[in-house]
Amino acid sequence: SQTIHQWPATLVQPVGSPLSLECTVEGTSNPNLYWYRQAAGRGLQLLFYSVGIGQISSEVPQNLSASRPQDRQFILSSKKLLLSDSGFYLCAWSTFSGNTIYFGEGSWLTVV
Amino acid sequence: KNEVEQSPQNLTAQEGEFITINCSYSVGISALHWLQQHPGGGIVSLFMLSSGKKKHGRLIATINIQEKHSSLHITASHPRDSAVYICAVSPNFGNEKLTFGTGTRLTIIP
Repeated sequence: SQTIHQWPATLVQPVGSPLSLECTVEGTSNPNLYWYRQAAGRGLQLLFYSVGIGQISSEVPQNLSASRPQDRQFILSSKKLLLSDSGFYLCAWSTFSGNTIYFGEGSWLTVV
Repeated sequence: KNEVEQSPQNLTAQEGEFITINCSYSVGISALHWLQQHPGGGIVSLFMLSSGKKKHGRLIATINIQEKHSSLHITASHPRDSAVYICAVSPNFGNEKLTFGTGTRLTIIP
């Protein structure tokens, strides 16, 4: 069966520090991968989308970047975190047929 | 105006009541998702609809493409149904670049 893992689950980082959130998918190949963010009191927003290795689409300008070094690995990064980067980050995947979308457990980021 | 609007924003009901959450959207879509988010933050996909109606246990989801409207119903509601329910739409089939509603916070009182 397919599973998706995301880590770390929670982290507190100082302003200006780097960030790396990792997401891996098991049990499927060539998934579409997504990073979403939910800021406090706001709805989910798509940050990045990938249809294949090395193929990243950015949906909103921001202080973050994403990479897909392997088919089932999706990494969200920042070189220098801002206070506004705080929020709940969700990795997700879907197949090209688009039957449904599966979400990771999420990562709570607090920038202090 | 948001592309996806949900109502109500908050809903409190007694256990056993029939629950309806509404979603309206203003863009063309290929599919609409109903998601459930529990207090810990994790999100589970409940339904993906492109037409008609789907049922899973006590949950029923309907969509009217012409009216750009969808509803999520919960029959015989239970405290464990308490969660945030989120409507999201995708523009292209097979590409789940979702646009989300802001969610409906449902609380079921025993």
